Amino acid sequence: EIVLTQSPGTLSLSPGERATLSCRASQSVSNTYLAWYRQKPGQAPSLLIYGASNRATGIPDRFSGSGSGTDFTLTISRLEPEDFAVYYCQHFGSSPLYTFGQGTKVEIK
Amino acid sequence: EMQLVESGGGLVQPGRSLRLSCRTSGFTFGDYSISWVRQAPGKGLEWVGFIRGKAYGGTTDYAASVRGRFTVSGDDSKSTAFLQMNSLKTEDTAVYYCARASRFRSGFLFSYYMDVWGKGTTVIVSS
Repeated sequence: EIVLTQSPGTLSLSPGERATLSCRASQSVSNTYLAWYRQKPGQAPSLLIYGASNRATGIPDRFSGSGSGTDFTLTISRLEPEDFAVYYCQHFGSSPLYTFGQGTKVEIK
Repeated sequence: EMQLVESGGGLVQPGRSLRLSCRTSGFTFGDYSISWVRQAPGKGLEWVGFIRGKAYGGTTDYAASVRGRFTVSGDDSKSTAFLQMNSLKTEDTAVYYCARASRFRSGFLFSYYMDVWGKGTTVIVSS
């Protein structure tokens, strides 16, 4: 079973700053299987990135995904007010079918 | 507009059953798969179950924590997916989300990412 570990647990930044979120897999995974989601307070999650680096429909280009093997990164180039939220990485596998990281909270400094 | 709307949540005693519905609109139900994800109070996301679209065989998968107790099904005529939850435990208390799972292919590999989500329905298991 793949275990995803996200870091840091909390990131305290100001609007306009750059955010770098990490997701480490317990073993090497294909980029095809890695996605990122944002969950704003009180809302359902929403898809940001799939296939490690492909932005979902309607996602602005300030969001970018990168990485390979065991280390993946979500970068938000300039934080907007709606970006202060919790972010989850997710792996699609075989058993279990989906695994989520524990989440990184991006909060206003 | 693509939408998923969950219903059927509520307060239920341990050991009892509950059936959640996920009514979809704005896309062809049978062309997509549906995933169920839950979130316990103050916790992260946990995948629960999955049903492949009719176009991909209609097979199901479950998390180990619910296998044998939960069943995912779909009704193409109603564009609705269901999560039948039996033998409920207090640890099943959570917000339950359904999400459309779209197939992504890269070379010989493919995966399903959850690209449209419902707002969720709350299940509380308590005596």
